[in-house]
Amino acid sequence: AQSVTQLDSQVPVFEEAPVELRCNYSSSVSVYLFWYVQYPNQGLQLLLKYLSGSTLVKGINGFEAEFNKSQTSFHLRKPSVHISDTAEYFCAVKINNQGGKLIFGQGTELSVKP
Amino acid sequence: GAGVSQSPSNKVTEKGKDVELRCDPISGHTALYWYRQSLGQGLEFLIYFQGNSAPDKSGLPSDRFSAERTGGSVSTLTIQRTQQEDSAVYLCASSLQWGESEKLFFGSGTQLSVL
Repeated sequence: AQSVTQLDSQVPVFEEAPVELRCNYSSSVSVYLFWYVQYPNQGLQLLLKYLSGSTLVKGINGFEAEFNKSQTSFHLRKPSVHISDTAEYFCAVKINNQGGKLIFGQGTELSVKP
Repeated sequence: GAGVSQSPSNKVTEKGKDVELRCDPISGHTALYWYRQSLGQGLEFLIYFQGNSAPDKSGLPSDRFSAERTGGSVSTLTIQRTQQEDSAVYLCASSLQWGESEKLFFGSGTQLSVL
């Protein structure tokens, strides 16, 4: 069963525009939520995470995400993107009654154009 | 070590051959994951090791795939009788502990091409 869904496979945007990358998960129990980023020709690295507490989490490079339990979403946002934000972004979920494995979404390719 | 190390970085093999992919996690990391990354498929979970617990093998796509982790450190992913659909980048990741720290460190991957 799919635990995490990224609704957009590709998101093209112009530089300095705002962006939202959507992520929904399916679970009726508590979860940990993550966004990872993979820059061209580089390995994946953690962008931000939600474990508990404030539902708005801030990550590196000006990105933030909001955990919405009622909508089972964890959308990633940035108010003004740069060319250097061009990368693939992966949402991931750890469902806390499933032993600890981290499940990734399909990925969203963000392409920032001048 | 400085990071998660995977070898080889590239592997080309013929259909039907067996291959072994190696992962050296960061020293002291108790959790180790294998994922497969294919174009348009995202990161597909394969297997997860946590300390001395039984591994979670629920993501292995067939019985041709197996993995072991010796001494709680190095891990080997073995694919027997490779098929063309096995072609992908195989990624290994490790983390310090299961629970609150929750940050995976990824290796650079092994690009497997099955001809």
